[in-house]
Amino acid sequence: AQSVTQPDIHITVSEGASLELRCNYSYGATPYLFWYVQSPGQGLQLLLKYFSGDTLVQGIKGFEAEFKRSQSSFNLRKPSVHWSDAAEYFCAVVAFSGGYNKLIFGAGTRLAVHP
Amino acid sequence: DVKVTQSSRYLVKRTGEKVFLECVQDMDHENMFWYRQDPGLGLRLIYFSYDVKMKEKGDIPEGYSVSREKKERFSLILESASTNQTSMYLCASSTEHRNYNEQFFGPGTRLTVL
Repeated sequence: AQSVTQPDIHITVSEGASLELRCNYSYGATPYLFWYVQSPGQGLQLLLKYFSGDTLVQGIKGFEAEFKRSQSSFNLRKPSVHWSDAAEYFCAVVAFSGGYNKLIFGAGTRLAVHP
Repeated sequence: DVKVTQSSRYLVKRTGEKVFLECVQDMDHENMFWYRQDPGLGLRLIYFSYDVKMKEKGDIPEGYSVSREKKERFSLILESASTNQTSMYLCASSTEHRNYNEQFFGPGTRLTVL
């Protein structure tokens, strides 16, 4: 069965520091992968997605992610974190089952940013 | 912009009550979804719908039902609320499913069952 693992439950970084959030997936074929962000009291917003092609994808708010098939990973990065990036981040993979597509989410990583 | 709205941000109910959570989207999306979000578990799919009056069970449908009488509205029903249904409930919508498209999420309803 498809699954997504986000190994880090909480991460704290200083403002201006670089950031990498880890995501590993389990899927037999080429996956469709997503990163979503959830700010406090808000719904989820799409940061970026990977369907095929260039393995380095750019997203909104200065985020990027790299798909590495050999490592089954899709890590999210940002070169310089801003205080407004404090939020919870979810990695997700599309699962195809019974003719329908579903999103399988990881448990999330909560990011705290120190001034 | 796509807008997905949920009827309540916070809701407190008692055990055994029938609870309705409403979700409305304004972009004529075919697909709608209900998730629950719990710490350490991420989002888990309860039910989804790819058309009016159509519904499919997700990964955790037990204790829930849904209704989709109109394309823009998708309701989640807790027939007899229990304390283990205390959670954050998120609704989402997207365009047709065969070429997968982004899901747009509502702000969520935090339900407490006492």
